[in-house]
Amino acid sequence: ETGVTQTPRHLVMGMTNKKSLKCEQHLGHNAMYWYKQSAKKPLELMFVYSLEERVENNSVPSRFSPECPNSSHLFLHLHTLQPEDSALYLCASSSGTSSYEQYFGPGTRLTVT
Amino acid sequence: AQKVTQAQTEISVVEKEDVTLDCVYETRDTTYYLFWYKQPPSGELVFLIRRNSFDEQNEISGRYSWNFQKSTSSFNFTITASQVVDSAVYFCARSQGGKLIFGQGTELSVKP
Repeated sequence: ETGVTQTPRHLVMGMTNKKSLKCEQHLGHNAMYWYKQSAKKPLELMFVYSLEERVENNSVPSRFSPECPNSSHLFLHLHTLQPEDSALYLCASSSGTSSYEQYFGPGTRLTVT
Repeated sequence: AQKVTQAQTEISVVEKEDVTLDCVYETRDTTYYLFWYKQPPSGELVFLIRRNSFDEQNEISGRYSWNFQKSTSSFNFTITASQVVDSAVYFCARSQGGKLIFGQGTELSVKP
């Protein structure tokens, strides 16, 4: 595997379900990010992890819970989501958080029913 | 908030035409970085270029070229002799405090 991978690629879940999104980077980076991309909206930064420590939490509702067990893996745990949470969730990684280019995974297309 | 503005929401061109995507940014920083990303229909954002605020030299990479003008806070992207495979959404971004601020994106459609 190379680059940044995300699983699953597509997810449909009910509002009472609990699911997790997984991201893995094979680039030796030490910073990882979660973004939300809704239709016709710019990318919204959700969380930033640097050296496995959360350094940014952009007022994201508590029904989204990130986890970074090591510098290569990032999870986004989902529970009791709302239909408006349906979006493309993108993971990215970079060499550091200061001005480095970020490399993105293919995203998980989430639909909440 | 210091924004990144991509005024062109959608652009449609015919193959082999040249096309320029505009990007204007706001910043109070003296040092910053600018980026362009491409998002094809598959969804993955592909990194294209990073430019340091101290380096105003224009850059060319194959059919792609970038024009950075600090005086007008613009970082425009030109595709020469466009191809159908260039069809995608293109995002301009600026660094701020360790994160990237993205524009709203320009959807480019190149028709055969």
